Amino acid sequence: GAGVSQTPSNKVTEKGKYVELRCDPISGHTALYWYRQSLGQGPEFLIYFQGTGAADDSGLPNDRFFAVRPEGSVSTLKIQRTERGDSAVYLCASSPRGHRGAGELFFGEGSRLTVL
Amino acid sequence: QKEVEQDPGPLSVPEGAIVSLNCTYSNSAFQYFMWYRQYSRKGPELLMYTYSSGNKEDGRFTAQVDKSSKYISLFIRDSQPSDSATYLCAMSGSSNTGKLIFGQGTTLQVKP
Repeated sequence: GAGVSQTPSNKVTEKGKYVELRCDPISGHTALYWYRQSLGQGPEFLIYFQGTGAADDSGLPNDRFFAVRPEGSVSTLKIQRTERGDSAVYLCASSPRGHRGAGELFFGEGSRLTVL
Repeated sequence: QKEVEQDPGPLSVPEGAIVSLNCTYSNSAFQYFMWYRQYSRKGPELLMYTYSSGNKEDGRFTAQVDKSSKYISLFIRDSQPSDSATYLCAMSGSSNTGKLIFGQGTTLQVKP
């Protein structure tokens, strides 16, 4: 597709369950980002990949959160032992460049996670 | 105190009005300044991207950066109902890796 694709668009889970959110970036974009947006707030940075490696994971809130990008394209954000406070929209973005000159970030529509 | 402050609004204006949206920030290391527009249940899309201080114009949109005051603005001329959305300011430091600090967002409604 032409844009950043995120699946699922909506996910409802129970407290304590494991969740995976997938992001398919724009073809050829080397940099990929995960942000989290709570209701009424701006997006908050979680993690940034340049190629296959996590260049900056300083925004991950704790060790329940983990993300991978094994082949430098699709990325998966994994959340273990979900808590109600994890409820938010998880946004993925990609950019044709990452290091020193990211320029425009292209965002997907997000995965809306609700933890009951 | 948040690094980036933005009045959440909502801001309601009549069609054709000039809209002024603003953000203040505390981190003097910020070098890149952006405005994103976000429609309901959609991802943010970039409107304006500026480096350091100065003005930038693109159609009906003008972005201003005043680093001495740590203040940025977005002006929308001849506002249209289709401009109704949440406007997010965002900033990054000199490394500009795409790790952005966003404001809370201002919700704008343009009434026909």
